[in-house]
Amino acid sequence: QVQLVQSGAEVQRPGASVKVSCKASGYTFTNYYLHWVRQAPGQGLEWMGFINPSGGSTSFAQKFQVRLTVTRDTSTNTVYMELSSLRSEDTAVYYCVRNYNSGLDYWGPGTLVTVSS
Amino acid sequence: QSALTQPRSVSGSPGQSVTISCTGTSSDVGDYNYVSWYQQHPGKAPKLIIYDVTERPSGVPDRFSGSKSGNTASLTISGLQAEDEADYYCCSYAGRYTYVFGTGTKVTVL
Repeated sequence: QVQLVQSGAEVQRPGASVKVSCKASGYTFTNYYLHWVRQAPGQGLEWMGFINPSGGSTSFAQKFQVRLTVTRDTSTNTVYMELSSLRSEDTAVYYCVRNYNSGLDYWGPGTLVTVSS
Repeated sequence: QSALTQPRSVSGSPGQSVTISCTGTSSDVGDYNYVSWYQQHPGKAPKLIIYDVTERPSGVPDRFSGSKSGNTASLTISGLQAEDEADYYCCSYAGRYTYVFGTGTKVTVL
């Protein structure tokens, strides 16, 4: 079955970077885009961007254009999300999610990133 | 991009129907039939319940239905059940390979 396994929780200092991984299994990795969505504590969902695992092309929300990098490794079916220049407002659960038509059908368990000095 | 606007909360008794609105603009909801809806229980990852405005993934009860008129999409839950108490989010394609979520609605079963 489809599984998205994410890396563990992180604590980072303001100004640092964080890199979260998402390993996909149970389907053909290059056939589905993978998105990143985050949710701050007690807040709503926020779309960050996606990668096309086939060619590696990406698209990001405007607010993340400068700080967000998303890459993939097709040899291990893994996608990486790196967010730089972290601030306290980046404290959130970060989800890796598979794209199906216009929907996001399989969600990873989420990775809690805490930004604190 | 601004978040799509949803009511903060809606409520209904078991068996009743509730409808959640999701208002965007002519650049997102109004321009594409690419609206999806998600159900999220506390402490859990969201679950896809509607995609492409009206389509239900396999396994989602037909009590959940979606529609769209102009710049507003809607999710209707018919025959409300206790397990439907959750947060619900809409999401729309917004052009230029970007997406935007709604502000979220808490559904309470009285």
